[in-house]
Amino acid sequence: EVQLVESGGGLVQPGGSLRLSCAASGFTFSNYDMHWVRQATGKGLEWVSGIGTAGDTYYPGSVKGRFTISRENAKNSLYLQMNSLRAGDTAVYYCARLGYTAMGPNGMDVWGQGTTVTVSS
Amino acid sequence: DIQMTQSPSSLSASVGDRVTITCQASQDISNYLNWYQQKPGKAPKLLIYDASNLETGVPSRFSGSGSGTDFTFTISSLQPEDIATYYCQQYDNLLPTFGQGTRLEIK
Repeated sequence: EVQLVESGGGLVQPGGSLRLSCAASGFTFSNYDMHWVRQATGKGLEWVSGIGTAGDTYYPGSVKGRFTISRENAKNSLYLQMNSLRAGDTAVYYCARLGYTAMGPNGMDVWGQGTTVTVSS
Repeated sequence: DIQMTQSPSSLSASVGDRVTITCQASQDISNYLNWYQQKPGKAPKLLIYDASNLETGVPSRFSGSGSGTDFTFTISSLQPEDIATYYCQQYDNLLPTFGQGTRLEIK
């Protein structure tokens, strides 16, 4: 079964750091681009980072310089290091796989169940 | 960044109704547009990719169309299990962005 399982969420003070993990199974992890997407309570989806198969990384302006995405293919794992956390970073964080067809990348076709990050004093 | 404007933000319809949601991109994104369904407390689910292609296993009552800047998502005959929030998402560049979402309710 193709599966993604996030972990590492929790309560952290403003200015603190947290590292999220995403364990992949059921597919060849190294062959896929991976992403992190977050969702604050009652709000919409916000993309927060992506990493290609070659290790190239991408971030929106809202987290660039504070968040670092990485992958460890030997462990089928994706990570998100979050530093200088703010109250506005409070959300459920999902990892997601970017699917492919013969025509190229399509959508985020596999998602984890999410892990909750709360930034509060 | 490419902005995605989705409308309406909420929608109430009856079982059997045809439902349409629109999404407009701030610049030409060709057909690099996906649609997702999210039920309360669950992760999003990919329904449509490349603007009009149905993801494997998704019922045929769901469809998508459009290219360039204007896109449409349609449910041909609303079913009770379709109650959810729907999001469009562009991937024209390496910085994907989502629309604000459309919350769909049963009338």
